[in-house]
Amino acid sequence: NAGVTQTPKFQVLKTGQSMTLQCAQDMNHEYMSWYRQDPGMGLRLIHYSVGAGITDQGEVPNGYNVSRSTTEDFPLRLLSAAPSQTSVYFCASSLAEGGNIQYFGAGTRLSVL
Amino acid sequence: RKEVEQDPGPFNVPEGATVAFNCTYSNSASQSFFWYRQDCRKEPKLLMSVYSSGNEDGRFTAQLNRASQYISLLIRDSKLSDSATYLCAVTMYSSASKIIFGSGTRLSIRP
Repeated sequence: NAGVTQTPKFQVLKTGQSMTLQCAQDMNHEYMSWYRQDPGMGLRLIHYSVGAGITDQGEVPNGYNVSRSTTEDFPLRLLSAAPSQTSVYFCASSLAEGGNIQYFGAGTRLSVL
Repeated sequence: RKEVEQDPGPFNVPEGATVAFNCTYSNSASQSFFWYRQDCRKEPKLLMSVYSSGNEDGRFTAQLNRASQYISLLIRDSKLSDSATYLCAVTMYSSASKIIFGSGTRLSIRP
């Protein structure tokens, strides 16, 4: 019962470094999304995808890239990390049918120094 | 104005009390509505979907008011285990795959 798996769980970066947060789901969900959560800000949508090969921007896309080459995987790339990107990142997936109920991964806690 | 707004809380109520949260949304054409629960340092999990006619799940009641563009969550006979952050979520009309969350309402139940 893997569900949505995010790696790594924790990461510390220096300003300017790049890295990829991994997200994989084994539920054959069409939709996948990335959110960041900051204190007092709730979940803010970064990018989302309706299926393999299709991605779109959310509320706060700047500084992040995504791709969706397979149904299962939806990696999030930080191109040049900044302290403002210190946050908790959640990946979620959902079925196109059924009202888009989101299933979340356990999150990645990222600190950028 | 944010697309989805919530009472920020925190709400601090005694065990057994009834507590209600509201969540307003700005897009009148929004399609689907949800309440999620998030425990400290954990991922959000679906509490309940919100249907047009309102729905109840045990001690929890969710309602949708399309005319005033808000959803509500009522918790009756609150338990210590209800302490958590409650997030509302709205699916955007422009894209059913795009779901926007409110900033969350923190609830603390005291003995």
